[in-house]
Amino acid sequence: DVKVTQSSRYLVKRTGEKVFLECVQDMDHENMFWYRQDPGLGLRLIYFSYDVKMKEKGDIPEGYSVSREKKERFSLILESASTNQTSMYLCASWNGRSGGSNQPQHFGDGTRLSIL
Amino acid sequence: ELKVEQNPLFLSMQEGKNYTIYCNYSTTSDRLYWYRQDPGKSLESLFVLLSNGAVKQEGRLMASLDTKARLSTLHITAAVHDLSATYFCAVDSGYGGATNKLIFGTGTLLAVQP
Repeated sequence: DVKVTQSSRYLVKRTGEKVFLECVQDMDHENMFWYRQDPGLGLRLIYFSYDVKMKEKGDIPEGYSVSREKKERFSLILESASTNQTSMYLCASWNGRSGGSNQPQHFGDGTRLSIL
Repeated sequence: ELKVEQNPLFLSMQEGKNYTIYCNYSTTSDRLYWYRQDPGKSLESLFVLLSNGAVKQEGRLMASLDTKARLSTLHITAAVHDLSATYFCAVDSGYGGATNKLIFGTGTLLAVQP
């Protein structure tokens, strides 16, 4: 069964801190994604990666960066956390090109991040 | 720029009733996904719709896609309490090939009352 694991369910950090959110998938998927989920706004794509060391900006990349050093791991970095980055963060993976395009993205359980 | 609108945002319905959730999108796409999210949980894939006229059914849920109208519907038949959740549609921003850069609707919170 597909498994996407996010390292923390809940996280509390302070303004200005550098924050790392980790995501690991065990399906050997090429593509990984980071979203944030806010009430009334649905999910918005922050960054995605289609291969190791490759990354592309999503719709709201400002204030974030990502790292993908290994295929199974995709990290989201808040360079200097601010209160408007308080949100639910969801990681997803997808086997796109190699596994065909008729598969959905698979999501982790999410990290609820609070910036004080 | 692709925009995805879902309605209604909130739906309270009685058990045994039927209802439809609508997902409209603004630019051409031929890939649409429906997800379910329970409170505090992750998103669970329900349906993948890949072509015009596609119809998928699972239990009391049926989803369809009309790419010409840029509309997908999620129909609920004889609702039961277990269907209470938030439902999202997501549209692939590519056409003719999956980019899987998805644009999500704002979600429909479904509450099924006994």
